Amino acid sequence: DIQMTQSPSSLSASVGDRVTITCQASQDISNYLNWYQQKPGKAPKLLIYDASNLETGVPSRFSGSGSGTDFTFTISSLQPEDIATYYCQQYDNLPFTFGGGTKVEIK
Amino acid sequence: EVQLVESGGGLVQPGRSLRLSCAASGFTFDDYAMHWVRQAPGKGLEWVSGISWNSGSIGYADSVKGRFTISRDNAKNSLYLQMNSLRAEDTALYYCAKDSKYQLHQRGHFDYWGQGTLVTVSS
Repeated sequence: DIQMTQSPSSLSASVGDRVTITCQASQDISNYLNWYQQKPGKAPKLLIYDASNLETGVPSRFSGSGSGTDFTFTISSLQPEDIATYYCQQYDNLPFTFGGGTKVEIK
Repeated sequence: EVQLVESGGGLVQPGRSLRLSCAASGFTFDDYAMHWVRQAPGKGLEWVSGISWNSGSIGYADSVKGRFTISRDNAKNSLYLQMNSLRAEDTALYYCAKDSKYQLHQRGHFDYWGQGTLVTVSS
């Protein structure tokens, strides 16, 4: 199985800060990497697919990059409504594994 | 509007069975693969199982293989998860998710999710 290592597991930042989360795959997954946002008590929501494509309707302050084994998710200017846990997910091989999540809080 | 509504969760004793359902609407159900994803209390997301549009391709997480069976009824726009030999570690909120592709190996993404149904395995 492909292991997805996400870091950090949590972070605290100020409104307007640039926030970066990394995700590392245990083997090459090309660009088959998705990012989801999960707010407390809610279902996950797709933000980024195929490593760098922004899902329709998602604000442009969210972005993703990377290929192979190393990927980055960025919030260019953190907003209060971005408080959530963010998960990466590989979709290259079954089983479709998720990273452990990064909880983002406001400082 | 795409809607996915899960049902069938509840409290069940270890070793017993439970069948989850997911009713889909707002899209052409038999054009897409579907998945079950679970989340134990306070924990992260775990993909459980997926099924292609015509049930021709199915996959399971190692943790449920041999105990859980995914199926779909395209005539009823419904997805199912039959869970047998349940264990305490199966306690979780179970989400139904729509794939953006019709085959599991087309490398899509989960573009819509239901609100989940809670399964609690305890004596």
